[in-house]
Amino acid sequence: GDSVTQMEGPVTLSEEAFLTINCTYTATGYPSLFWYVQYPGEGLQLLLKATKADDKGSNKGFEATYRKETTSFHLEKGSVQVSDSAVYFCALRVRGGSEKLVFGKGTKLTVNP
Amino acid sequence: DVKVTQSSRYLVKRTGEKVFLECVQDMDHENMFWYRQDPGLGLRLIYFSYDVKMKEKGDIPEGYSVSREKKERFSLILESASTNQTSMYLCASSNLIVMNTEAFFGQGTRLTVV
Repeated sequence: GDSVTQMEGPVTLSEEAFLTINCTYTATGYPSLFWYVQYPGEGLQLLLKATKADDKGSNKGFEATYRKETTSFHLEKGSVQVSDSAVYFCALRVRGGSEKLVFGKGTKLTVNP
Repeated sequence: DVKVTQSSRYLVKRTGEKVFLECVQDMDHENMFWYRQDPGLGLRLIYFSYDVKMKEKGDIPEGYSVSREKKERFSLILESASTNQTSMYLCASSNLIVMNTEAFFGQGTRLTVV
């Protein structure tokens, strides 16, 4: 079945450090890929997305590239801020299949000043 | 601004009570979902619906039911609440016709069953 595996946290970084959160997937179809972010006490909101191979999604300094050959969609940011502290979820949606989103387990990021 | 609104942010219920969690979206989306979020387990799909009066079981439907009488509203029902249903519940909606679009989430309902 379809699944998403993302690196386990928690991840603790100092402000201005480089961030990578790994995400790999398995899918029976040709998925669209998403990163969601959940700030403390809130619901999930879309951070970025990519819909086909080699697409790069970007938002708020975060980037992720859809790599079909490695079935990966790793999240990166060059310089994190305290305000980036949140839980990050990788997810996929398979075209033509079930309409549901399949999520990874989430990675909690804490950025210290 | 598009919105998914859950009726309560926090709920405390007693074991055995029947509990209703309500979700309303204003985007005319066909798909609606209920997820449960627990530490270390991520988001797990309880039920989803792709049309009025249609529903599909997700990964963990036991102990839950749903109702979708109108397109904009999707209700999650705990028939007899138990302490192991203490959790954060998240509602979401998405467009069925336009592919590659994301799901939009409500702010979540933190349910405590005592």
